[in-house]
Amino acid sequence: QKEVEQNSGPLSVPEGAIASLNCTYSDRVSQSFFWYRQYSGKSPELIMSIYSNGDKEDGRFTAQLNKASQYVSLLIRDSQPSDSATYLCAGGSSGYSTLTFGKGTMLLVSP
Amino acid sequence: NAGVTQTPKFQVLKTGQSMTLQCAQDMNHNSMYWYRQDPGMGLRLIYYSASEGTTDKGEVPNGYNVSRLNKREFSLRLESAAPSQTSVYFCASDPGQGGGYTFGSGTRLTVV
Repeated sequence: QKEVEQNSGPLSVPEGAIASLNCTYSDRVSQSFFWYRQYSGKSPELIMSIYSNGDKEDGRFTAQLNKASQYVSLLIRDSQPSDSATYLCAGGSSGYSTLTFGKGTMLLVSP
Repeated sequence: NAGVTQTPKFQVLKTGQSMTLQCAQDMNHNSMYWYRQDPGMGLRLIYYSASEGTTDKGEVPNGYNVSRLNKREFSLRLESAAPSQTSVYFCASDPGQGGGYTFGSGTRLTVV
């Protein structure tokens, strides 16, 4: 199993819907998780971080972590066309470590 | 507040030429990183520096060298460029406590 895996998509949702992006990970990256948004031709920007089991909400974004099942998800409520981008999941291990990135899921929000 | 600044933004090299990609951050971050991003491959770590004075290899270090010049600056050097090094290169930094990276705007490098 690759350390961080994401479905490449594209995931297509209509404007106003909930977009659900998923990521699974291996034992090596099991402590901290991050979601980045990357617009085409731009650099990744940090949206959310999550470290413990459960949900973490920030505006329209909710990150969910389930360590028993080794998955982390990002929900985007009231999706807007401006949310159309590639979303990168990243994980880190305990203590100081570098982040391992998934290949990203492309999200397309249609008006 | 500039964050992470990378130069140049675009570069075309001939095979065998050398060049240095520059990166500087003004956030007083301890750790800095160089990643490359290729279609279908995602972001892959080339080298990183956990703190000033230290550097370590990442997943794909071959063909590259780095210098952590001071706390602010972390450069990436290609000694003899190869077409396989055509990529988008991102520099990133973080405080060193696992809080997530801040990325620079990237350098799009083409080796012909």
